[in-house]
Amino acid sequence: DTAVSQTPKYLVTQMGNDKSIKCEQNLGHDTMYWYKQDSKKFLKIMFSYNNKELIINETVPNRFSPKSPDKAHLNLHINSLELGDSAVYFCASSQVGNLASEYFGPGTRLTVL
Amino acid sequence: ILNVEQSPQSLHVQEGDSTNFTCSFPSSNFYALHWYRWETAKSPEALFVMTLNGDEKKKGRISATLNTKEGYSYLYIKGSQPEDSATYLCAFGGGADGLTFGKGTHLIIQP
Repeated sequence: DTAVSQTPKYLVTQMGNDKSIKCEQNLGHDTMYWYKQDSKKFLKIMFSYNNKELIINETVPNRFSPKSPDKAHLNLHINSLELGDSAVYFCASSQVGNLASEYFGPGTRLTVL
Repeated sequence: ILNVEQSPQSLHVQEGDSTNFTCSFPSSNFYALHWYRWETAKSPEALFVMTLNGDEKKKGRISATLNTKEGYSYLYIKGSQPEDSATYLCAFGGGADGLTFGKGTHLIIQP
């Protein structure tokens, strides 16, 4: 059973397009996250979301927006894609109240041409 | 801005040898310190979460210690095996704010 899943695994698209990456967790966790792995393989938090609060890293352009249809899903929408958006994006989830580890999805490699 | 520093950046170790590496983090407003293991083409896998000063955690041949007053944590691997080759990430924080990761220590075990 996959705990945190992401689709698609690979996404190749043209500059200027709008795209979405889906994330689902079946762990019953209350908080989900999106991270970006940059060209130096450094993981940086983009968003943290539970059903009450969205926390946005101030460095994230407003072309990026998370959308959560329900507690088990946190999708990442990106408008007007730019070359610099090419990266691997990881979704994660955790149960915040338990000081638990975050569980990561397999990542989505986005390439903007 | 939180700075999480890890050293060394990369490390080559002979199979069977023991090794350790360091994570340093801000000692103020401490919440939790996490260690992850990240193999190439996979997702980061949690090893430990530590919250208390003096905490020591162990999983098989891997263990970690925590000093929140001086802001550092050590990860130890005893009797390194080729399957231990991975990048080991340290992360500060957690909860609603998410994790602030270090750049990792890339460990290569040489047979």
